[in-house]
Amino acid sequence: DGGITQSPKYLFRKEGQNVTLSCEQNLNHDAMYWYRQDPGQGLRLIYYSQIVNDFQKGDIAEGYSVSREKKESFPLTVTSAQKNPTAFYLCASQRANNSPLHFGNGTRLTVT
Amino acid sequence: RKEVEQDPGPFNVPEGATVAFNCTYSNSASQSFFWYRQDCRKEPKLLMSVYSSGNEDGRFTAQLNRASQYISLLIRDSKLSDSATYLCVVNTGNAGNMLTFGGGTRLMVKP
Repeated sequence: DGGITQSPKYLFRKEGQNVTLSCEQNLNHDAMYWYRQDPGQGLRLIYYSQIVNDFQKGDIAEGYSVSREKKESFPLTVTSAQKNPTAFYLCASQRANNSPLHFGNGTRLTVT
Repeated sequence: RKEVEQDPGPFNVPEGATVAFNCTYSNSASQSFFWYRQDCRKEPKLLMSVYSSGNEDGRFTAQLNRASQYISLLIRDSKLSDSATYLCVVNTGNAGNMLTFGGGTRLMVKP
């Protein structure tokens, strides 16, 4: 089955540590996105990539970094510079402009 | 003004009721529109795209009003399983292909 996979589902880290969230898709989609969702809130865009080896900052990119070395993969690193990293992180891919997003099942990150 | 706005609710309705949500958007050049459903602690899932002529999928009807810059979602004969948060998504066309999410409307269907 084609889809988008995020791992792990739950992640716990100590404050001050960098952590990388995985996102892999086999839908052959060019565009990929990372969103953050806080309890009771909507989704906020962190980074997006429309093609391999290119990515753009979203609305809340500070404290995060990404890479897009392969079409299938778009990992997100939450760095120690991110002030409030505890959140639900969602990765999505998109087939073409104006088509809907397909989401992975998310990674719930808790930093203590 | 936010780019995409929704009434957060909650909308509390009895089973069998008809309920409607609106979502307003600020960019008149917006090209594409979607409704997603999100269950508690889960990822959003596409409910339906919204077409200019309006579209229906079973008990769900989506409409687009470009003149007033809003989209709507109508749910007929509400089921307990319809309880969820409904997110509207608009391609605001800013800086490339970026989809902007509304904050979501929470629906609770009661027996």
